[in-house]
Formats: sequence, structure tokens, C-alpha cells
Amino acid sequence: KNEVEQSPQNLTAQEGEFITINCSYSVGISALHWLQQHPGGGIVSLFMLSSGKKKHGRLIATINIQEKHSSLHITASHPRDSAVYICAVSANNDMRFGAGTRLTVKP
Amino acid sequence: EAGVVQSPRYKIIEKKQPVAFWCNPISGHNTLYWYLQNLGQGPELLIRYENEEAVDDSQLPKDRFSAERLKGVDSTLKIQPAELGDSAVYLCASSLGGGDTDTQYFGPGTRLTVL
Repeated sequence: KNEVEQSPQNLTAQEGEFITINCSYSVGISALHWLQQHPGGGIVSLFMLSSGKKKHGRLIATINIQEKHSSLHITASHPRDSAVYICAVSANNDMRFGAGTRLTVKP
Repeated sequence: EAGVVQSPRYKIIEKKQPVAFWCNPISGHNTLYWYLQNLGQGPELLIRYENEEAVDDSQLPKDRFSAERLKGVDSTLKIQPAELGDSAVYLCASSLGGGDTDTQYFGPGTRLTVL
């Protein structure tokens, strides 16, 4: 069993919809990261969380340390949000990645 | 500021041939990572460098994979000989330090196809 599990694996939404991607982990962590990967491979860091909630533009990330769970929300989704969203956890100078959630936003 | 640079972007080789990937991290970043990413999966660490020292190479298949980071800047990852199962995207990343709260910056990756 992977230490980092994401759901759903694939998500298709209509433009303007509210999106939620979930991440559960089974190990103790120092921080949780949300990353975005566009076709062609480039990975960009969106958020790093160790508690609570962070917001950047239309993106919101939350984490519940007790439940070992994090969510990434996208408000007013847009086709340019189409990408793979990856959850990763770091502890002891080691980062473990989830398999990613492929999001497609249709106009 | 230039990001992490990788070359080549794509490589197609026949099995049993050697192949090498090159990475130039962000200037001033002491920590460099090589990851392997299979289709539909997240990246998996192959090796992590702190300056020129490989501090975690536990997941590097040392029978065929090797890496070096001379002078603590650029790095090269080599596979010899390549096998069909090595087809994947090889990602390089760098960070200022290697701590859990340091942001990693990723290069565009090298997509390797072994025929």
C-alpha cells in the first residue's frame, strides 16, 4: 500500500465548477506539498503545509494532521487548470509522492 | 532566474545501449535530486546530493545506474546497459537545502524510451 493515496485518480469537470482533490497519508510528516504537473513533465510547487489552510488565488489547500488528510480545492475552475495534481509528504529529508490526480476542465 | 535545466528532453535508444542525462540546478541550490517517474505514477527518488556528496542513493539500482555531481553543481545520471523497463521520465530537482520544508524546483524531465 502506497504511503500517500490520492483520490480521485481522474476528474473531469465543466468550467466554473468547484474542484476537490483528496490526499491521505499513513506516515508521520514534517510537511505536505501540493504540486502541479502539466503535459511535458514540468512540476511546479503550489503549496507547502504543515497545519491549517493556505490560499493562493483560486486554489485552497487544507490539512488535518490528526486525520492525516489534506484537500486541494479549486474554485471557479478553468480549462487552464487541466493538469495532474500531485500530493507529496516530506519527513526525515525524504519526500514520498502520490500517484497524482489527472484533472480535465472542459469549456 | 533560470530554472532547473535538463538535457536531452527526449531520448530513444535500443536496449543494452548506454544513456546519460544531464542536469544543471538553480544557481546556489546545494541539494540536487534525481527522480524516476513512470506513466501514471508519482516521482520516485533515485539519488539525492548535498553539494557533491550522495547522501541518499538507497533506491538507485547500482548494477546499471550511476550518478555523479562533480564540483557540487551539474549532475549526470547514467544507465548502462539500458533495459526495456527503464523507459520513463527522469526528473531532476534542486533545492536550497535538503530539509523537509525546502521547496524543490523541478526540471522539465528527460523522457527515455528503450526499444
